[in-house]
Amino acid sequence: NAGVTQTPKFQVLKTGQSMTLQCAQDMNHNSMYWYRQDPGMGLRLIYYSASEGTTDKGEVPNGYNVSRLNKREFSLRLESAAPSQTSVYFCASSEWWGEDTEAFFGQGTRLTVV
Amino acid sequence: GENVEQHPSTLSVQEGDSAVIKCTYSDSASNYFPWYKQELGKGPQLIIDIRSNVGEKKDQRIAVTLNKTAKHFSLHITETQPEDSAVYFCAAKGTYKYIFGTGTRLKVLA
Repeated sequence: NAGVTQTPKFQVLKTGQSMTLQCAQDMNHNSMYWYRQDPGMGLRLIYYSASEGTTDKGEVPNGYNVSRLNKREFSLRLESAAPSQTSVYFCASSEWWGEDTEAFFGQGTRLTVV
Repeated sequence: GENVEQHPSTLSVQEGDSAVIKCTYSDSASNYFPWYKQELGKGPQLIIDIRSNVGEKKDQRIAVTLNKTAKHFSLHITETQPEDSAVYFCAAKGTYKYIFGTGTRLKVLA
């Protein structure tokens, strides 16, 4: 079982470059999330999609955009990367926002912006 | 806004001793409180969870307690082993989303 798959695993960008982080889940989950993880700050929510066709801002949305392409896929786009966006990014999914069930995480994308 | 405070940020214990990690949440609507373990280079994985209608839950060496009135919940690990060394995150789930604590790095010393 693949679960939540993120690509790429590692990426180095120059300031001002753009890129899209891809995420796909094969568990038929309705809700999907993007988090960033920084030392001492834990996991902070960037954007989430409660269900297919909807997206909403989390705690730290500035500089990012998302697309819920279909039920399986939720991408995160950096239009003009900045060094402050150097972080580890995690995608997660859960069965349904109305249910109190666990979120499943991908293995993360380590992004460095130079 | 909603937030979850987690303490301590680092914790070192001798193998065989117990470890306790504490969290406090702010959103009264939170009804689900999972705990995640993150090993080096991996994504967080659920180890135990508790719902608001339960005060305590145990699974072998790990247990979680919840005090909804005080908005506190805690993770207890007994008889710690070297493989328990990892970063642990608490979380509180409201209507749509999970809010995570800042993490506790647990080191179990052999």
